[in-house]
Amino acid sequence: EAGVTQSPTHLIKTRGQQATLRCSPISGHTSVYWYQQALGLGLQFLLWYDEGEERNRGNFPPRFSGRQFPNYSSELNVNALELEDSALYLCASSLEPDNQPQHFGDGTRLSIL
Amino acid sequence: SQELEQSPQSLIVQEGKNLTINCTSSKTLYGLYWYKQKYGEGLIFLMMLQKGGEEKSHEKITAKLDEKKQQSSLHITASQPSHAGIYLCGADGDSNYQLIWGAGTKLIIKP
Repeated sequence: EAGVTQSPTHLIKTRGQQATLRCSPISGHTSVYWYQQALGLGLQFLLWYDEGEERNRGNFPPRFSGRQFPNYSSELNVNALELEDSALYLCASSLEPDNQPQHFGDGTRLSIL
Repeated sequence: SQELEQSPQSLIVQEGKNLTINCTSSKTLYGLYWYKQKYGEGLIFLMMLQKGGEEKSHEKITAKLDEKKQQSSLHITASQPSHAGIYLCGADGDSNYQLIWGAGTKLIIKP
């Protein structure tokens, strides 16, 4: 069974640009979660999608957005990039949103120059 | 709001020694998850605990949830270099299926 896959592995952008990160969940998983892990900081919850709908959002500005497609894959968009957006962005999926472990991809390292 | 506190923040252990990492919640835990992360990589799911007093093992790693369901411990027996990494605990939060995360424990194994 293939795990959660994320692309690209690394992404280098400059301030003000826009970035798109992609995630394919484990087959059969309908919930997809996005997290930001900045250097020295813990996991910060960004977004949760389930059955194509945004179900919950963390404490991030609106320039962080995303969507979930009919095949349950997801993309995270970050507009007007700022230096502090440099971080490892992790995607996770779960079979159901309740009482099920989340399984993580290897992340996308976003660097803002 | 619920908070998870992990201790210690970091740990250096001689190879072959045992060690314990703790995760304490400010509220009752209804689902507790342990993960391991290698630097710069994704999280690897280790174990999930739900019932008070529950104990699970995977190879040389054992996790327990106390009877009051407010603390979990992760115990590694006869540590090996492959155990090095960051261990995180996560818990089902009290709102909208969002997991609450501890800050992580960095484990270094000395050969």
